[in-house]
Amino acid sequence: GAGVSQSPSNKVTEKGKDVELRCDPISGHTALYWYRQRLGQGLEFLIYFQGNSAPDKSGLPSDRFSAERTGESVSTLTIQRTQQEDSAVYLCASSLDWTGDGYTFGSGTRLTVV
Amino acid sequence: QKEVEQNSGPLSVPEGAIASLNCTYSDRGSQSFFWYRQYSGKSPELIMSIYSNGDKEDGRFTAQLNKASQYVSLLIRDSQPSDSATYLCAVRGNFNKFYFGSGTKLNVKP
Repeated sequence: GAGVSQSPSNKVTEKGKDVELRCDPISGHTALYWYRQRLGQGLEFLIYFQGNSAPDKSGLPSDRFSAERTGESVSTLTIQRTQQEDSAVYLCASSLDWTGDGYTFGSGTRLTVV
Repeated sequence: QKEVEQNSGPLSVPEGAIASLNCTYSDRGSQSFFWYRQYSGKSPELIMSIYSNGDKEDGRFTAQLNKASQYVSLLIRDSQPSDSATYLCAVRGNFNKFYFGSGTKLNVKP
């Protein structure tokens, strides 16, 4: 596609439920990144994909968080047993490869855990 | 772990003035630095990158880098109300992973 597409744009979920967030990167981009931004904070790195492998998942905050990517296409970030501290905007970005310059972010998914 | 520090602001400047935004970073080996602008409720957008000591100009924006002092700044000349946003400083790490500061909120008053 023309840009990085994320869905849903907003998600309200009850504490303890599982959620899936989707990212569709720019066509041809092999590198894909997930970040989290809590209210009033900077962005925290979560995970990086090169193709469908994840060389760096050091930012995933707990084992409740997981992510996968199909080939060089869509990625899903799954949060199990959501907690209120998971409330944040989850941003996805892609780049041609891992050597590229600053990348383009999607519009994000605003997750609210109630 | 790379740390990136910014003053959260808000920084208020009158329209037409120069806005100066500052950032320090902890990893002396860092090579690549970026400024992103984020409007409220929107995702960050890249406005400048800088890799070498000195100044880099792009229109009304000038990025300054001093690796010895581990200091990056962004100057916005002739500030406009449309420049009101949060400015995020970022340092690139391995695999094009970015370490972000918490951002400085800029208000440009008409």
